[in-house]
Amino acid sequence: TQLLEQSPQFLSIQEGENLTVYCNSSSVFSSLQWYRQEPGEGPVLLVTVVTGGEVKKLKRLTFQFGDARKDSSLHITAAQPGDTGLYLCAGASSGTYKYIFGTGTRLKVLA
Amino acid sequence: DAGITQSPRYKITETGRQVTLMCHQTWSHSYMFWYRQDLGHGLRLIYYSAAADITDKGEVPDGYVVSRSKTENFPLTLESATRSQTSVYFCASSQVVEKLFFGSGTQLSVL
Repeated sequence: TQLLEQSPQFLSIQEGENLTVYCNSSSVFSSLQWYRQEPGEGPVLLVTVVTGGEVKKLKRLTFQFGDARKDSSLHITAAQPGDTGLYLCAGASSGTYKYIFGTGTRLKVLA
Repeated sequence: DAGITQSPRYKITETGRQVTLMCHQTWSHSYMFWYRQDLGHGLRLIYYSAAADITDKGEVPDGYVVSRSKTENFPLTLESATRSQTSVYFCASSQVVEKLFFGSGTQLSVL
């Protein structure tokens, strides 16, 4: 069974701190996506990483895809209260369209 | 620009009743997905579809039925609702698997 495990599950930090969220699997993915979800809404896509070892930056967010394409990380620099939300990694194994989500990391940034 | 809409937004039903959740998208996307999200968790895939008349089971399909007679609609039916099916249900569509667009969700309570 294909799984995407995220850690930590919960994270509460002060404004201005840095943090890293991890997404791990035993399966190879052709690409991985990161989404953010706010209360009462569906997830919204943040980024897609495709190539093993790829690093993408989105303002204060840095996304990395593992060399073996089995894991990914999200690093937030100088977190702000607006970063609060549920962060989800997601992907479909190579050759399929069975699109699964990770277990999620709930982030709270305190002012 | 209607996008993807789910109905109803909220639903309360009793155990044993049949319930149908509707999902409609205006983009003519090929792929459609149904997920459930339980409090504090990520999303679990129930069923997915690559095109009209093509559907596949996801991670948690038991107790659910789907159909896709038209590209734009992907209803999800709970044949005999159980309390364990109390959840928030999200429908999503995409033209490429890696970029999903989500509806606003249906909050279902089974009493």
